[in-house]
Amino acid sequence: NAGVMQNPRHLVRRRGQEARLRCSPVKGHSHVYWYRQLPEEGLKFMVYLQKENIIDESGMPKERFSAEFPKEGPSILRIQQVVRGDSAAYFCASSGGGASYNSPLHFGNGTRLTVT
Amino acid sequence: GENVGLHLPTLSVQEGDNSIINCAYSNSASDYFIWYKQESGKGPQFIIDIRSNMDKRQGQRVTVLLNKTVKHLSLQIAATQPGDSAVYFCAENLEGSGNTGKLIFGQGTTLQVKP
Repeated sequence: NAGVMQNPRHLVRRRGQEARLRCSPVKGHSHVYWYRQLPEEGLKFMVYLQKENIIDESGMPKERFSAEFPKEGPSILRIQQVVRGDSAAYFCASSGGGASYNSPLHFGNGTRLTVT
Repeated sequence: GENVGLHLPTLSVQEGDNSIINCAYSNSASDYFIWYKQESGKGPQFIIDIRSNMDKRQGQRVTVLLNKTVKHLSLQIAATQPGDSAVYFCAENLEGSGNTGKLIFGQGTTLQVKP
């Protein structure tokens, strides 16, 4: 019963380094969403992808952040030249055919990024 | 127990009591609402959802009530158990956004269950 798998669970990076966060959706799901959660806050939408396509990236910072969901392999959220403000928990969710009343989002356990 | 102040972040209840967690949503155009439970160090776990064409939906020990007139959502947990201790988030989705996975999350309410 494999749900959404994210790795690594914890990631420590120094300022200026790159962070790569991976997300494997539920088997058979082709829609992936990335959210960010700052301490003591709710999750905030970042980006929505289908296989090989970015559908909605309205929540992504304009610089340093990128996401992909290739035909094969996991979805990747990439943060270049990390800064302390990037420290947060990053969650991935997947759904079949786009989230809906009959297909709610299922989240992974997140990657906790700490920038030192 | 009930968090009567919509901005009250913590609700403390006795084991076995019923809990009511309240949430105000922001957009009258939202047509889909979800409650998630988040335990420490874990991702949000789906509890129950409701469409705007309904005002009540029941699950196992949980009930969600939707009042569109005042843009208010509540989660009722019957016979609260220690395992229910977590942070609870309501989330809404904007009608016509074309993407029901694009959710707007509330601040969250911490539920503490006293044995």
